[in-house]
Amino acid sequence: DAKTTQPNSMESNEEEPVHLPCNHSTISGTDYIHWYRQLPSQGPEYVIHGLTSNVNNRMASLAIAEDRKSSTLILHRATLRDAAVYYCILRDVSGATNKLIFGTGTLLAVQP
Amino acid sequence: GAGVSQSPSNKVTEKGKDVELRCDPISGHTALYWYRQRLGQGLEFLIYFQGNSAPDKSGLPSDRFSAERTGESVSTLTIQRTQQEDSAVYLCASSLHRGNTEAFFGQGTRLTVV
Repeated sequence: DAKTTQPNSMESNEEEPVHLPCNHSTISGTDYIHWYRQLPSQGPEYVIHGLTSNVNNRMASLAIAEDRKSSTLILHRATLRDAAVYYCILRDVSGATNKLIFGTGTLLAVQP
Repeated sequence: GAGVSQSPSNKVTEKGKDVELRCDPISGHTALYWYRQRLGQGLEFLIYFQGNSAPDKSGLPSDRFSAERTGESVSTLTIQRTQQEDSAVYLCASSLHRGNTEAFFGQGTRLTVV
């Protein structure tokens, strides 16, 4: 399974942007980059995904490096509700290896 | 239903007893996953079902753990002769098969072995 590397923890202030990095140097051409987050005492929830181009949705933006070996999840204005563990995961587009393996993620703390 | 449903939400059992945990995936989702999450730890992959293919059981921690899924419907995770270290939240997720689609998680079953 392709692996990802994330910082264990990050801290942000409320109303400020947050950039959460992820390294995936062994990514294959058929891997999508997915981000999930887990709020306290809840199951994980989908945030965003992309393949090559940068992506935006109502929750966040995903910036993907040109060589696809790294990506950054961008929360434009952090709120207290964004405090969670953020997971960066690779999923094969064909579904051949689609186990959805979670790493240790980044624990994001948001200060008021 | 609108989302992935798991039951029961909480289960307390005595050491040595068997337990069954149920997951109702979103209708039409061919992929189904089970995870275990111990207190303060990350998600540990257990088993993955994809349509009628043989399940990927590579994450099951011992032969006391087993899971079944009938077609593309309900799945049951069974833990035999429960031990205290089995205490955890067991999470189920479902998705369409393709890697460019999102997975939806249930709220989990909190299992406590006393």
